[in-house]
Amino acid sequence: GIQVEQSPPDLILQEGANSTLRCNFSDSVNNLQWFHQNPWGQLINLFYIPSGTKQNGRLSATTVATERYSLLYISSSQTTDSGVYFCAATGNQFYFGTGTSLTVIP
Amino acid sequence: DTEVTQTPKHLVMGMTNKKSLKCEQHMGHRAMYWYKQKAKKPPELMFVYSYEKLSINESVPSRFSPECPNSSLLNLHLHALQPEDSALYLCASSQDFSRSYNEQFFGPGTRLTVL
Repeated sequence: GIQVEQSPPDLILQEGANSTLRCNFSDSVNNLQWFHQNPWGQLINLFYIPSGTKQNGRLSATTVATERYSLLYISSSQTTDSGVYFCAATGNQFYFGTGTSLTVIP
Repeated sequence: DTEVTQTPKHLVMGMTNKKSLKCEQHMGHRAMYWYKQKAKKPPELMFVYSYEKLSINESVPSRFSPECPNSSLLNLHLHALQPEDSALYLCASSQDFSRSYNEQFFGPGTRLTVL
């Protein structure tokens, strides 16, 4: 199966700071999603981004499929951004990344 | 409506009990999924149903038995579970299971504790 690695594994930010989360995948994928898992366990869809760049408010994502990576940018972070961020890639199946645990402190 | 619902939210059961988890979606999706997530780990795929037929079973023990009564409903029947089966169980759905239309939407999960 496809290996999906995320970095960094843990990240602590001061409120208002910007950050970049990375997702590397080991083989060609058809699609890629970014999720935010809140402290209650709900996985919230952030982006469905097989290629290119998308923006949604303070968040944006870029996937370069030919180089097998995707980036999630968080600008002006808020305490409510805390949680775990997962990327998930689709090849012949659905593969979750290892996750980045983000803590935003006031 | 982009919502997947799951019941119950929490479940505590003994190792000899039989219980069921339920999942429902009304987005017209034809693929539904069960995942298991342990603390501080990513979700692990258990089962995939495509057009109400079981498409993928990731070598899940037989004490977990999935059922898809119709295109909107997905059940997970539990019997003779072990304490190590305690986890968050997530349901998801997507338009279908093809390569092009598989953006997944997740329910809030059922937090299961096996005593």
